[in-house]
Amino acid sequence: TQLLEQSPQFLSIQEGENLTVYCNSSSVFSSLQWYRQEPGEGPVLLVTVVTGGEVKKLKRLTFQFGDARKDSSLHITAAQPGDTGLYLCAGLTIYNQGGKLIFGQGTELSVKP
Amino acid sequence: EAQVTQNPRYLITVTGKKLTVTCSQNMNHEYMSWYRQDPGLGLRQIYYSMNVEVTDKGDVPEGYKVSRKEKRNFPLILESPSPNQTSLYFCASSGGTGAREKLFFGSGTQLSVL
Repeated sequence: TQLLEQSPQFLSIQEGENLTVYCNSSSVFSSLQWYRQEPGEGPVLLVTVVTGGEVKKLKRLTFQFGDARKDSSLHITAAQPGDTGLYLCAGLTIYNQGGKLIFGQGTELSVKP
Repeated sequence: EAQVTQNPRYLITVTGKKLTVTCSQNMNHEYMSWYRQDPGLGLRQIYYSMNVEVTDKGDVPEGYKVSRKEKRNFPLILESPSPNQTSLYFCASSGGTGAREKLFFGSGTQLSVL
């Protein structure tokens, strides 16, 4: 079974702090997606990274795909209360037709004013 | 508005009573998938469908059935629900090849099996 280990599982910080969420695997992925989920709603895609070493920025969020395409990170600069939510990474394996997306366990982020 | 619609939103049932959770998308997507979400376990794929009449097992298919008779609908069937199927269920669709493109998720169905 392919696994995607996400850490930390819970993170509680003050407004203005920086944070990093990690997503690691022993498997190689053809792409990796990051989602954000709010209570009572389904996950919403933030970004997809495809190339090893790729860095993408979305305002205060920076996403990086590892050179070997086995890991990824999400860095938030100067976190805001509006960043509160569940962050999920999801890897698309390279050995199938594109039907299976492996999700990490999620990181529950709470940003306090 | 482009969306994935799941029904019902909440469902409480008893062990062994067959139920169906419906899922419909209005984006003409070929790919659809069902996930269950449990605390500490993230989202686990139950079944997916690459196109009409094509379905395949995900990582946790036991106790579930699906069908894809039309492109827009992908119902999830629990023939004989058990308490370990109490979970939050999500349906998703994608317009690309399989899950390579952005997944659009429904709002979820919270199922409790007593």
